[in-house]
Amino acid sequence: SQQGEEDPQALSIQEGENATMNCSYKTSINNLQWYRQNSGRGLVHLILIRSNEREKHSGRLRVTLDTSKKSSSLLITASRAADTASYFCATDLVMNSGYSTLTFGKGTMLLVSP
Amino acid sequence: DAMVIQNPRYQVTQFGKPVTLSCSQTLNHNVMYWYQQKSSQAPKLLFHYYDKDFNNEADTPDNFQSRRPNTSFCFLDIRSPGLGDAAMYLCATSRGQENQPQHFGDGTRLSIL
Repeated sequence: SQQGEEDPQALSIQEGENATMNCSYKTSINNLQWYRQNSGRGLVHLILIRSNEREKHSGRLRVTLDTSKKSSSLLITASRAADTASYFCATDLVMNSGYSTLTFGKGTMLLVSP
Repeated sequence: DAMVIQNPRYQVTQFGKPVTLSCSQTLNHNVMYWYQQKSSQAPKLLFHYYDKDFNNEADTPDNFQSRRPNTSFCFLDIRSPGLGDAAMYLCATSRGQENQPQHFGDGTRLSIL
């Protein structure tokens, strides 16, 4: 299975602190993606990092990828209460037609307290 | 705004009574996906379409079917829902290329009585 495994399963921090979530996967990838899901809502794409990239930034988000260790991390800096959500990593599988399907990890539930 | 819309947001059906969930998109994406997500679990891929080319994941239950009559619409039919089918059902779209993000609707939460 290509399924990513996130850790920790749950993370509770105070506003202003940084949050780090880790993801490990089993097989080679084309890219790895991070998504966020607020309670009762759909997933929102955060960042896509390609297999030949090591680090990517988007606002307060920083994603790293280590293909030799088959792992990725998502860092949220200066967290806010509004960052409270579940965060999922997903690994891709490229289909013959050229598009990808995703296999999601179990997710990290982040709680940011004011 | 271009988006993925799922209706209804909440659906209640009886054990064994067929139910259809719908998804529409204004993104004009080639690819549409259906996921099942149970409480505190990862989304699990059920089906995906590249245009009208249908793909069924190997472990998708036999009582789940899907239809995509045109680019914009996709339906998930559950022929005889069991209690274990209660879940959030998520629809997503993407461009038909590598290295593309998926765009999700807000899901339909299905309850079985």
